[in-house]
Amino acid sequence: GQQLNQSPQSMFIQEGEDVSMNCTSSSIFNTWLWYKQDPGEGPVLLIALYKAGELTSNGRLTAQFGITRKDSFLNISASIPSDVGIYFCAGQLGGSSNTGKLIFGQGTTLQVKP
Amino acid sequence: ETGVTQTPRHLVMGMTNKKSLKCEQHLGHNAMYWYKQSAKKPLELMFVYNFKEQTENNSVPSRFSPECPNSSHLFLHLHTLQPEDSALYLCASSRDRDNEQFFGPGTRLTVL
Repeated sequence: GQQLNQSPQSMFIQEGEDVSMNCTSSSIFNTWLWYKQDPGEGPVLLIALYKAGELTSNGRLTAQFGITRKDSFLNISASIPSDVGIYFCAGQLGGSSNTGKLIFGQGTTLQVKP
Repeated sequence: ETGVTQTPRHLVMGMTNKKSLKCEQHLGHNAMYWYKQSAKKPLELMFVYNFKEQTENNSVPSRFSPECPNSSHLFLHLHTLQPEDSALYLCASSRDRDNEQFFGPGTRLTVL
């Protein structure tokens, strides 16, 4: 079945540093999504990407949909303590293959030291 | 953002109990989803409903029984669960199956 490989698994950084994480897949996706999850809460959508090559920003967050449609990355600039959490990528097939099913990565746990 | 609500937030049940999880979305969406999130594992899709019709059952055991009476409400009925079913159960909705999904806060289920 489809799998997403998300890396790194965890990061421990100093406040103010930039962060980069990525996801790769053996399958081609029509949509890439990035979510953040805080403890005891559901994932919150950060950025949605719909076109190969698309680069989208949301404040200090920037994400790109890879040209091959098999990968995506998320960058966080100038990290702050509230960036702490688990970040998930998710891919969705499109067209007739699209049943609404999202394939999730394993998550990147981010810790920020003040 | 409280577009998708879930109740209860926490549930402890014995293996012989029957309980139900409830999800409600206030976003006018047509598709709703149940996911299971276990420790150290990626989120797993369980069921998809589109316009109240079930369109995907991801090989979920029959002790989990979903119900979608209308596009705004989704239930997950639980019966004779096992301890390994303990997990965070997340509901999500999207405008259509092609669109981004928005999640509720989840129900933390513990099966004793």
